[in-house]
Formats: sequence, C-alpha cells, structure tokens
Amino acid sequence: DAGVIQSPRHEVTEMGQEVTLRCKPISGHDYLFWYRQTMMRGLELLIYFNNNVPIDDSGMPEDRFSAKMPNASFSTLKIQPSEPRDSAVYFCASSPGVAGGPSSYNEQFFGPGTRLTVL
Amino acid sequence: GQSLEQPSEVTAVEGAIVQINCTYQTSGFYGLSWYQQHDGGAPTFLSYNALDGLEETGRFSSFLSRSDSYGYLLLQELQMKDSASYFCAANYGGSQGNLIFGKGTKLSVKP
Repeated sequence: DAGVIQSPRHEVTEMGQEVTLRCKPISGHDYLFWYRQTMMRGLELLIYFNNNVPIDDSGMPEDRFSAKMPNASFSTLKIQPSEPRDSAVYFCASSPGVAGGPSSYNEQFFGPGTRLTVL
Repeated sequence: GQSLEQPSEVTAVEGAIVQINCTYQTSGFYGLSWYQQHDGGAPTFLSYNALDGLEETGRFSSFLSRSDSYGYLLLQELQMKDSASYFCAANYGGSQGNLIFGKGTKLSVKP
C-alpha cells in the first residue's frame, strides 16, 4: 500500500484565497483524521471521520474551515477565506479503527503533510 | 480541557538510555500513545498503552501507570538516527478519535 497520500505537498497562497487540501487514506481504514501542526500550538486534531461520517469537529478553528469525506477513499479540508495565521503543516491520518476494550490497537498512519503558507 | 505535559528538550549520547516522561489529565482517559517525528517528516507510531505496565518493542519501551496519570517512553542503545521529536498522545472518550498530543520532546543524540 502507498500509505496515506496528501496533495499538494506545498501550497503558497495569498490572504483571502480559497485553499483545498486533499487526502487519500489507506484502503480499508475506517477512520480519517485531519491535524494541524504549528510551532506555537503543536499538533492539533481538527476533525475526524468514521466511515465517512464526521464524528468530532470541535477542533475546527472557525467557520472558515470545512472538511468533507464524500467516499471512503477521499477527503478534503477547505479554508475559505485563508488568513496568514492559517499557515501551518496540515496532516491527514487514517486508522483501521479496531474498536473495543482496553487493549485496542490504536495506531494512526500519517500522510506526509501539506505545508501551507498564506501571505 | 485535557492537556499533556512532557519535557521540551532532552540531550543524550550515543549508546545511552533516555526516558521521556508524560503526565496527562485523568478524566475520560482511555490510553496513551507515543509517536516519533523527524524534522520535516510526519509522525510515526511507536507504541500504545491502555493497561498499566511496560510494553517493549525492540530498543523502545513504553510504560503506563493509570493511578499516577503518568507514562514514559524509554529509548535504549541510543543511535544518532533517534534524534527526533517524541510526542505522547492520549485518547479521551474512546478507543478512537479525540487524540490529544503533547507539545513534544526534542531529543538530540550526540556522538
């Protein structure tokens, strides 16, 4: 398997523009996560999906951010309009999602990330 | 909200043993994971503890004490390639999702 695929790898845009980040999870994984990483705030969970359904979007910073998962093999994170403070590395991760008791397997597989710079 | 505490930096020499500690808030805690991230790279999974005790995987071991709300990552026989940031991450409210990451510990291994 190719692992989690993200595109683009780098994005430079101007304030006010729309940005769309894309993610293809590992085939067969039931969970998909979007994270944002900055020096100041570290690695933050933005939203996650289970079987294409958004479960928790409490980490989405504001209405300018939206995420969709139209099918099991594709998700997007959109920022509209973008602002300089959105500059960060955005990671997508997927997990097989073995649910259950205390010994549940918990590994998340991260994509290479998209480095976003908003000027 | 939930937060995790871990040291920001640790320095050690090749061949040594280093322990990176992590404390977390208890309410809703489900399990503790450890991730490694090299500069410019993506986090990669190292280990997961849901029960008290030690989990060993090669040179790396992870420990959890639920009564103390504390865990650690132990790296043995350090190699230069172990220089990276190490994050503890806690699950709250279930086996998946709601993963809260610590700010990371930057480990520098010197010859």
